[in-house]
Amino acid sequence: AQSVTQLGSHVSVSEGALVLLRCNYSSSVPPYLFWYVQYPNQGLQLLLKYTSAATLVKGINGFEAEFKKSETSFHLTKPSAHMSDAAEYFCAVSDPIDRGSTLGRLYFGRGTQLTVWP
Amino acid sequence: DAGVIQSPRHEVTEMGQEVTLRCKPISGHNSLFWYRQTMMRGLELLIYFNNNVPIDDSGMPEDRFSAKMPNASFSTLKIQPSEPRDSAVYFCASSLGYKRGNEQFFGPGTRLTVL
Repeated sequence: AQSVTQLGSHVSVSEGALVLLRCNYSSSVPPYLFWYVQYPNQGLQLLLKYTSAATLVKGINGFEAEFKKSETSFHLTKPSAHMSDAAEYFCAVSDPIDRGSTLGRLYFGRGTQLTVWP
Repeated sequence: DAGVIQSPRHEVTEMGQEVTLRCKPISGHNSLFWYRQTMMRGLELLIYFNNNVPIDDSGMPEDRFSAKMPNASFSTLKIQPSEPRDSAVYFCASSLGYKRGNEQFFGPGTRLTVL
């Protein structure tokens, strides 16, 4: 099974500062990688996904993530944080496609709570 | 598109009572997932279905938990009897699998409180 590690359960930044949320996955190259965002009292929403078309993926709300195979990483960044970015962020990966799975199970990290200070 | 629909949104019950959570996936999706979210354990996958067939229920914590998917548009998660440690937010998600890059669409969740 895949495993996902999100370094830092809590990240705090000032408004306007760079946001960097870290995600590392286990060694088998997964076909798909995701970042989801969860606002208080809501379900998870897709922020962006990597499907091997390009290593730099742009998502909603100015977020982007870069897939680095050599580092088994998929870190999430945003150049300038906004108060509305305060939420919990989850990194997720899918099973390698060579296992013949078409069932779409995702493996989630523990999440990183982002706080944005004014 | 109405998205994934879950009911009820909030449930408060007493220990020992039966609880049934409901989910309507997005029309046309062939995979359905039940998750539980708590502060202590984070987001846990309980069970998932493909074409209405349970594929992996290894995440179901105890025999008190059961899930069914009688048709493509409805699933239930039942807890009988409920216990205070079952208090959590339960999410349902649906997906088209690899047909659409494995993206899962989540419902708003059911917040369960067992007293």
